[in-house]
Amino acid sequence: DQQVKQNSPSLSVQEGRISILNCDYTNSMFDYFLWYKKYPAEGPTFLISISSIKDKNEDGRFTVFLNKSAKHLSLHIVPSQPGDSAVYFCAASSDSNYQLIWGAGTKLIIKP
Amino acid sequence: EAGVTQFPSHSVIEKGQTVTLRCDPISGHDNLYWYRRVMGKEIKFLLHFVKESKQDESGMPNNRFLAERTGGTYSTLKVQPAELEDSGVYFCASSVTGDFPYGYTFGSGTRLTVV
Repeated sequence: DQQVKQNSPSLSVQEGRISILNCDYTNSMFDYFLWYKKYPAEGPTFLISISSIKDKNEDGRFTVFLNKSAKHLSLHIVPSQPGDSAVYFCAASSDSNYQLIWGAGTKLIIKP
Repeated sequence: EAGVTQFPSHSVIEKGQTVTLRCDPISGHDNLYWYRRVMGKEIKFLLHFVKESKQDESGMPNNRFLAERTGGTYSTLKVQPAELEDSGVYFCASSVTGDFPYGYTFGSGTRLTVV
């Protein structure tokens, strides 16, 4: 069973507008949630994270929101830029082990 | 500093053959992880080394997969014999102890195709 789900395989957004990527999880024991960005033929690179004790974390154009009651998090990118076109992965972890549990990714396409 | 290096970047082998993937972590990173992404699906954990010891190998799919990290430096992941379902991209990551989960650095991956 998949503990972290990204239900949108792809998302297309106009340059300059807001991109919202969503992620749902089932395991209430997760302590940290992370977003990674991946370009073709490269490994994932860390983008932004949030601890389970917070509901929002912001870093420049990127903001992650966590709704623990709904077991849902989202990544907001504003304004969206062409270089943001990539696959975005949501991942989660708990203090009890060193594994990252990943979603299947959402391919974000920023249209000029 | 040099990043995490993986090679080969691509490998195409026939079913039943053996393939060995290599990962060189960032120097000084005691933790080394292997992950795999099967076409279009989620990235899945395979195993975790701390130095040369296997800390967690709960994600290894079966005994056709063998990972080693002799001397606590580079690691190899051998698949023998390879099956069609082993196709995917194998990622290696490394981190400093105490830096989890933020300190992961991933390599570019090895794309394995079994035909």
